[in-house]
Amino acid sequence: GQQLNQSPQSMFIQEGEDVSMNCTSSSIFNTWLWYKQEPGEGPVLLIALYKAGELTSNGRLTAQFGITRKDSFLNISASIPSDVGIYLCAGMRGSQGNLIFGKGTKLSVKP
Amino acid sequence: DGGITQSPKYLFRKEGQNVTLSCEQNLNHDAMYWYRQDPGQGLRLIYYSQIVNDFQKGDIAEGYSVSREKKESFPLTVTSAQKNPTAFYLCASSIRGQGAVLHYNEQFFGPGTRLTVL
Repeated sequence: GQQLNQSPQSMFIQEGEDVSMNCTSSSIFNTWLWYKQEPGEGPVLLIALYKAGELTSNGRLTAQFGITRKDSFLNISASIPSDVGIYLCAGMRGSQGNLIFGKGTKLSVKP
Repeated sequence: DGGITQSPKYLFRKEGQNVTLSCEQNLNHDAMYWYRQDPGQGLRLIYYSQIVNDFQKGDIAEGYSVSREKKESFPLTVTSAQKNPTAFYLCASSIRGQGAVLHYNEQFFGPGTRLTVL
């Protein structure tokens, strides 16, 4: 099945730094979801996006639905050690269909 | 406390044995899903069910079977026909599996079951 391209694959940053990651597809999506997954646990939904150009925040996290409808971006401001984990993007085409997932961006934060 | 539960957290089986993974939700969601996660790979859809007594194959259904006899339960059986069953299995649910109200498609995940076949 199709998968989304997430980049970077991994990031090593210092506590307090800002983080940016993205997710791209060759197809147009009308839904983008961002999840965080900690080791040995299920993904937790962070932000959902439904409209091209939409910018949505959840605390220090901000995600954007790309205007081309083929990409989405996630930013984390002032990172803290508990931000460590794998960030997964997921997209859906149309209103009938299943989610397609990226392989994730692994974030490591040095105190 | 609403949510999705999966049991057990860790499961060990001998090669050639069938094993059933449990998934229960009390969110009153219509749709339920099973995914498999392997290191370095994205989540891959095994089976999904949009309504009770109905389910569809996902991208990697071979060697797996499911049932949906109750709205809140969607057990997954890993059969001996599955060639590489060792993996992390995730169950999810959403209000609906399709429809014009897009946020009804948001999927919420259980804690996962790690299956190891020896």
